[in-house]
Amino acid sequence: QKEVEQNSGPLSVPEGAIASLNCTYSDRGSQSFFWYRQYSGKSPELIMFIYSNGDKEDGRFTAQLNKASQYVSLLIRDSQPSDSATYLCAVKAVTGNQFYFGTGTSLTVIP
Amino acid sequence: DVKVTQSSRYLVKRTGEKVFLECVQDMDHENMFWYRQDPGLGLRLIYFSYDVKMKEKGDIPEGYSVSREKKERFSLILESASTNQTSMYLCASSLVGRYTGELFFGEGSRLTVL
Repeated sequence: QKEVEQNSGPLSVPEGAIASLNCTYSDRGSQSFFWYRQYSGKSPELIMFIYSNGDKEDGRFTAQLNKASQYVSLLIRDSQPSDSATYLCAVKAVTGNQFYFGTGTSLTVIP
Repeated sequence: DVKVTQSSRYLVKRTGEKVFLECVQDMDHENMFWYRQDPGLGLRLIYFSYDVKMKEKGDIPEGYSVSREKKERFSLILESASTNQTSMYLCASSLVGRYTGELFFGEGSRLTVL
């Protein structure tokens, strides 16, 4: 089984701060990486994907990928209470169409 | 608006019962997936299908089977429900492609087996 590791948290940050979420993966050949947000009692929804080394920015969210070190991170700038959720890292298998998920990091943004 | 619909949000079944969970997507996606989600264990893949009548086992297929007779519909079957199958079940779909891959999830089906 391909492994995707995340710190389970909980991670607490004050409103307006930067939240940093990290994820490592074991399959060196992985090409596609995704961050999903899951509110309590809801299903996951995609917030970012990244394929290339470096940074990808979308509004307050920045995904960072380092294939040599096999980690992907998500930065949330100017964190808001509405960002409080569990964030799931997902890696797409090199072959086939499977996705492997981490166990998620619980984030709480304190007003 | 894209949509993945799961037939039941909440189910309560008894040990030994046969359980059907239905999932329908309206996006003409080739791939469909069934996951279960448990606290501390994350999402674990049960089965997936990349075409009609095609299926592949995921990481935890024991005790489950699936059916995909039409492209838009993917069913998960628990032949004889057991208490350790109490969980949240999530259906998802995606397009085929090396770099495509956003998963669209249904709202989930919370199954309790007594």
